[in-house]
Order: sequence, then structure tokens, then C-alpha cells
Amino acid sequence: RKEVEQDPGPFNVPEGATVAFNCTYSNSASQSFFWYRQDCRKEPKLLMSVYSSGNEDGRFTAQLNRASQYISLLIRDSKLSDSATYLCVVNGGGRYSGGGADGLTFGKGTHLIIQP
Amino acid sequence: DAGITQSPRYKITETGRQVTLMCHQTWSHSYMFWYRQDLGHGLRLIYYSAAADITDKGEVPDGYVVSRSKTENFPLTLESATRSQTSVYFCASSEFRTGSADTQYFGPGTRLTVL
Repeated sequence: RKEVEQDPGPFNVPEGATVAFNCTYSNSASQSFFWYRQDCRKEPKLLMSVYSSGNEDGRFTAQLNRASQYISLLIRDSKLSDSATYLCVVNGGGRYSGGGADGLTFGKGTHLIIQP
Repeated sequence: DAGITQSPRYKITETGRQVTLMCHQTWSHSYMFWYRQDLGHGLRLIYYSAAADITDKGEVPDGYVVSRSKTENFPLTLESATRSQTSVYFCASSEFRTGSADTQYFGPGTRLTVL
């Protein structure tokens, strides 16, 4: 089973719509969760951390379900500029503990296209 | 605020040549990382470093060498480049805090082609 799984999409969504995608992770020891955004041919950038209680940042809402081991991202009132690949990122749970870093494991990303 | 930079941004080399990719960060972050990103694989960790003179292997270290003599620099060397090392390479850094993984900040990437 892959460590972090995402639906690769693409999700084609009209501007102004609400879109949601999920991510599942396999390591129950994972402690930190993030959504990163990556534009074509650019570096990944942190969109938001995901907290156990759920968190919201403007039009973006992230939620974590530890029991089912999935993370979700909801985008409301989508904009053309939201078109990107969204990477689900999970703390590796000590995967690289030899060096002290927990090590982040990246999903392959969900490709979102907002259409005018 | 320069942040994290990589050089070169684009590199074409030939099989068997040695190539060094540079990474420099101005935040004095303790941790630095090298990833490669390929279609169908997503980001995979090559090597990471917890501090100067401390490095460790990630998921796909074979064929790569790293060093970290100074906190701000983390060069990645391909000792004898192979076509399978054609990829986009990202450097990242973070200020790791005890007990949790911290946010990683990525450089702009180096697009390497091995002919």
C-alpha cells in the first residue's frame, strides 16, 4: 500500500464552484499533515498545515480524520488562480529517524483545473 | 530576503560526467533536504542533513553524494550521471523543532537532463 495516496485527477471545476479532495495515509504514527500547492514547473509551496480540530484559511478548509487516516482539502468559491497541483504531505512518523528528522512523505498530487 | 536558492536552474550533461547541484539558504535553518521529482513518482527524498557535517540517506540515495560543511550550503553531487537521473531536483530547508516535523521551504528547482 502506498504511504500517501491521492486521486491524481484532473479535477475540472467551473469558476466559483466548491471542490474537495481527499488524501489517505498509511502510517498511523504520522503526527503532522500539510497541504502544499505546486504550480506547473515551480517548487511546492505550503498552502496550509492540517490540525486535528480542522482549520480554515480564507476559502480553504482542511480537515484530518485520524481514525480513518485521511485528510481533506475544501476550496470554496474557486478562482482561476487556484488551478494547480495540490500535494498531500504527511510526517513520515520517524521514517528517517536515524537523523532526527521525521521526514515528510509526499503524495503524487491532485491536479486541479478551474475553468472560466 | 533571499530565502533558498538553487544553481544552476537548468543543466544538460552527458552520461558518466560528474555534476554538482548547489543549494543555499539564508535562514540558518538546521535541516536541509534534497528531493527529486519525476512523473509518476512525486517527490522522493534523496538525502537530508540535520546540521553541518551531519547527513543521512533518504529514500533514493544511490548514485548521489552530499556534503554540508556550512549550515547554509548543501550541495548534491552526481558522481557519474546516468540517464535515469534526469529529473527536477528540489532543495528544501526547515527549522526542525523537537517532537514534530516543521514546514519545509523549497528552492526553485534544478532541471537536469542527462544525455
